[in-house]
Amino acid sequence: QSVLTQPPSASGTPGQRVTISCSGSSANIGSNTVNWYQQLPGTAPKLLIYSNNQRPSGVPDRFSGSKSGTSASLAISGLQSEDEADYYCAAWDDSLNGPVFGGGTKLTVL
Amino acid sequence: EVQLVESGGGLVQPGRSLRLSCTASGFTFGDYAMSWVRQAPGKGLEWVGFIRSKAYGGTTEYAASVKGRFTISRDDSKSLAYLQMNSLKTEDTAVYYCTRFRNYYDSSGYYHPYFDYWGQGTLVTVSS
Repeated sequence: QSVLTQPPSASGTPGQRVTISCSGSSANIGSNTVNWYQQLPGTAPKLLIYSNNQRPSGVPDRFSGSKSGTSASLAISGLQSEDEADYYCAAWDDSLNGPVFGGGTKLTVL
Repeated sequence: EVQLVESGGGLVQPGRSLRLSCTASGFTFGDYAMSWVRQAPGKGLEWVGFIRSKAYGGTTEYAASVKGRFTISRDDSKSLAYLQMNSLKTEDTAVYYCTRFRNYYDSSGYYHPYFDYWGQGTLVTVSS
């Protein structure tokens, strides 16, 4: 059971906009920043969004992050087939004194 | 280009020990905290622990699931990070990723911790 809660799956068609939610508590998302990681099939995770809404160099602006209260969301616009991957949210947890992850959301591009 | 390369994984019996290494390049290793994150087969990501840079004392923090059994260390002269795993259990079976761990406080006091670079991972299988 993961500390942060994500839907196990999401889907969309090419060109569509999809969002993935991440729910936590006051100990993690409510008081700390949220990060998102993308894991393409058979590869290592990669930082996608950090500090709630910042994109590392090289990440397309189709990807955006937001946070409100104890929840966060990742939005992907102009969905492409290469976006098919697992997406994980993460945040520092003050109670556990360490980073915690969501269980991951498998995104399928139909 | 930042590169992190893990090594040392393999098959080990329950109760035994194993040491993983992470070779870093492309950045000034000693300036950064380093962390290990693992992923059990078919499962999600789990933080294992991290080690701060020497500028911040080189101290370590661990997840409750590995505290007292795992130890992270670093050799800045060789740009190496290590994960010493003792008293291994079957539930420690996972791909172990070495990551660079960025963490800082902004002017408003908000903490910004994240893993900005990941290695390709090394598989550790604990089985008799």
